[in-house]
Amino acid sequence: KQEVTQIPAALSVPEGENLVLNCSFTDSAIYNLQWFRQDPGKGLTSLLLIQSSQREQTSGRLNASLDKSSGRSTLYIAASQPGDSATYLCAVKGGNNRKLIWGLGTSLAVNP
Amino acid sequence: EAGVAQSPRYKIIEKRQSVAFWCNPISGHATLYWYQQILGQGPKLLIQFQNNGVVDDSQLPKDRFSAERLKGVDSTLKIQPAKLEDSAVYLCASSRGGTSYEQYFGPGTRLTVT
Repeated sequence: KQEVTQIPAALSVPEGENLVLNCSFTDSAIYNLQWFRQDPGKGLTSLLLIQSSQREQTSGRLNASLDKSSGRSTLYIAASQPGDSATYLCAVKGGNNRKLIWGLGTSLAVNP
Repeated sequence: EAGVAQSPRYKIIEKRQSVAFWCNPISGHATLYWYQQILGQGPKLLIQFQNNGVVDDSQLPKDRFSAERLKGVDSTLKIQPAKLEDSAVYLCASSRGGTSYEQYFGPGTRLTVT
């Protein structure tokens, strides 16, 4: 059974820092992995989708990597800004049912 | 391209009442999902439609929850009767279909059952 873990659960950094959020999964047989952002009381915004055949994806200040063999993905945020404050969730799609299996998220606070 | 639309955004009802949520997916997206997200948890898939057919409803509490997607476009999710533990955010998402495509989420409906 696929399990997704995100570490740390919460992170507080000063503005301008580069930071890394971690996501690990137990079953390497995945189709893809998706990173989302969720603002308080809001829906989910898709940030990056990495297919199982890919190693990384980039969008602006965000870079996500995928290492299937070790069951890990990282989301790198460069030059963090207060507007980056949100909860970041990763979800993997895999297995026979092809559902998204979710982590509990990392709550990020970027302080001015 | 317009995003996934949901209404209402907020709803407060008493237990044992009924409630319905509406979702309009991104145009051309064949797959539609309803999720339930309880505070502090990841989203839980309730039901997945491919066009107007149900692909997965294994986690839908069928004694009180129902969903339909007539004509393969809009969808409604209904709860009748509501329980206190149904208080959550109900998220609708859509994708082009198939395994590889991203899911795009609507803003969600925050339900409070008192």
